[in-house]
Amino acid sequence: GQNIDQPTEMTATEGAIVQINCTYQTSGFNGLFWYQQHAGEAPTFLSYNVLDGLEEKGRFSSFLSRSKGYSYLLLKELQMKDSASYLCAALDSNYQLIWGAGTKLIIKP
Amino acid sequence: EAGVTQFPSHSVIEKGQTVTLRCDPISGHDNLYWYRRVMGKEIKFLLHFVKESKQDESGMPNNRFLAERTGGTYSTLKVQPAELEDSGVYFCASSQVCGPEPNQPQHFGDGTRLSIL
Repeated sequence: GQNIDQPTEMTATEGAIVQINCTYQTSGFNGLFWYQQHAGEAPTFLSYNVLDGLEEKGRFSSFLSRSKGYSYLLLKELQMKDSASYLCAALDSNYQLIWGAGTKLIIKP
Repeated sequence: EAGVTQFPSHSVIEKGQTVTLRCDPISGHDNLYWYRRVMGKEIKFLLHFVKESKQDESGMPNNRFLAERTGGTYSTLKVQPAELEDSGVYFCASSQVCGPEPNQPQHFGDGTRLSIL
């Protein structure tokens, strides 16, 4: 079956760094997305990885290891506005997005 | 550029009634997707339109759900008759096709919160 695992909730301090991990098992693989979702709002696109390695985009970076079926989202210099759910989603062989349940990130002052 | 818009934002109906959700994708986006998130669970794919054609409807739960995209612009998702387990947030997303790239990021609407009583 197809499965995406990520932690349910994480807590971090303003100004610190946090890493949100995601493991995936899909029928075929065409890349991995990270989305941010604030409560009651639409998921917004953060990053896409299809090749192994690290993609850096400002304070956010995303890493992929295809051989391990593993990705992480790294958030630096955390701000209070980063409190949100972070959704990991893998694109399978049918180009269908398979979603994780999301990681709720709580930022404390 | 206007984003993906969904209407209504909330809907509360009784079991057995009919509800129609609407999605207006970003202008020029050929790909339109419907998803559903039941409380506490992950987002689940329902179906995918390319223009007016259903590319993939493997995620539609049963024949009480009917999606249309007449003219390849906006889409509607009708639930008839609604059952209690249909409650959840229904998201619509759209993406732009550019050559053979299937992995365009999908842009999401705010969702329709559907409650069946």
